[in-house]
Amino acid sequence: RKEVEQDPGPFNVPEGATVAFNCTYSNSASQSFFWYRQDCRKEPKLLMSVYSSGNEDGRFTAQLNRASQYISLLIRDSKLSDSATYLCVVNSQSGAGSYQLTFGKGTKLSVIP
Amino acid sequence: SAVISQKPSRDICQRGTSLTIQCQVDSQVTMMFWYRQQPGQSLTLIATANQGSEATYESGFVIDKFPISRPNLTFSTLTVSNLSPEDSSIYLCSARDRDIFSPYEQYFGPGTRLTVT
Repeated sequence: RKEVEQDPGPFNVPEGATVAFNCTYSNSASQSFFWYRQDCRKEPKLLMSVYSSGNEDGRFTAQLNRASQYISLLIRDSKLSDSATYLCVVNSQSGAGSYQLTFGKGTKLSVIP
Repeated sequence: SAVISQKPSRDICQRGTSLTIQCQVDSQVTMMFWYRQQPGQSLTLIATANQGSEATYESGFVIDKFPISRPNLTFSTLTVSNLSPEDSSIYLCSARDRDIFSPYEQYFGPGTRLTVT
């Protein structure tokens, strides 16, 4: 089983639509969780952290379910500029005791005019 | 946030040669990392670059193939040795510092796109 699994998409949605991405992780000892955004031919950039209580940043809402080892990202009122690949990222303690990010393959979103 | 630069941004190399990628961070950071992102794939951690000591490599990556230097807290290099077409990929430098950034927040350089012919 892969450590972080995401639906690869692509998700093609019209402007203004609401879209949700899901992610599951295998390491129950994972400490923290993030969504990164990666534009085509660019580096990943942190979009938002994900907390157990759920958190919202404008049109973006992230949820974490530790019991199910499940993370989600909801984007409301999609904009053309939201087109990108969204990476689910899990931070876990490595064998050496340090923390390490594990990336999902990403879900590609295309917002269509 | 951190600003991370990488050189070169891209290169085309012949098989059997080596490429050294430089990474510069605009602030002193405790942790620097090197990742690889192959086409259509996610990021895979190659190694953690340790300042003043040997890098810590992940499973499947070895020092002879990917020697890493980190002479100070703002700079690191990754060399990809004895290149083969399978090494064609994007190589990304990353930095983290819990005292400067939010805990566990990591920043990435723009990447170096390597094509091996």
